[in-house]
Amino acid sequence: DGGITQSPKYLFRKEGQNVTLSCEQNLNHDAMYWYRQDPGQGLRLIYYSQIVNDFQKGDIAEGYSVSREKKESFPLTVTSAQKNPTAFYLCASSGLEGSAGYTFGSGTRLTVV
Amino acid sequence: GQNIDQPTEMTATEGAIVQINCTYQTSGFNGLFWYQQHAGEAPTFLSYNVLDGLEEKGRFSSFLSRSKGYSYLLLKELQMKDSASYLCAPMDSNYQLIWGAGTKLIIKP
Repeated sequence: DGGITQSPKYLFRKEGQNVTLSCEQNLNHDAMYWYRQDPGQGLRLIYYSQIVNDFQKGDIAEGYSVSREKKESFPLTVTSAQKNPTAFYLCASSGLEGSAGYTFGSGTRLTVV
Repeated sequence: GQNIDQPTEMTATEGAIVQINCTYQTSGFNGLFWYQQHAGEAPTFLSYNVLDGLEEKGRFSSFLSRSKGYSYLLLKELQMKDSASYLCAPMDSNYQLIWGAGTKLIIKP
C-alpha cells in the first residue's frame, strides 16, 4: 500500500546535538512538506519541496535544514541553532496541484533532554 | 495576508449535532479542506470543497461559500470517538494549504 513513513516515532536529543528526522513516501507525490506542531497550536511550515533538488523555506525555517535528493525522501535536520526544538514534527506529501489534499506521516515527537 | 478563524474549543453531547465554523482569507483559492486530528496523531482527511454548496459524506458534511470566505463542518450523531481537533485548511494560489489552530471538540456522554 502507498503511504508516507516517518521515523523514528520518538526521539530524544541532548542540547547542542544535530538530529535528522526521516520522511519517505511511495505515493509518487512531487511535493513534500515539513511542519512543526506545539501543544494546542496549529501546524507551522518549516520547509517544503515541489521538485527534486529544490526546496523553499517556510515560516519557521531558522535552525532547520532539509535535502531532496530523491523524489521519495525529504529528511529534516534539526540543528543546534534551533533554540526550542521540543515539538511534534509532521511530514506530508501531495501531488503538485494538491487537489487531493495532503497525506501525512504519523509524526515524530522530538524531546530535548 | 492569509488568515483562518475557527473557534478554539467546542463542547457537544453524544448523539447530538455540532457545526464548526471557519472563515478564511487567502491569496487565491483552490478549494478548502477539513482534517481531523486526534491528540498526538497526524491529521486525517475529512472533506474537500472547491465549489459553493454542501458536500455530504456519511455523518460528516462540509459547506463552502467562496464569496463570503466561509465554510462549516457539520457532524451528526456524535460519537465519543469524534473527540478531536478539526482543522479548516484553505488552499492558496500556490496549491499550499493554509492552517489555522483548529477547533478542539469535546464530546460528553
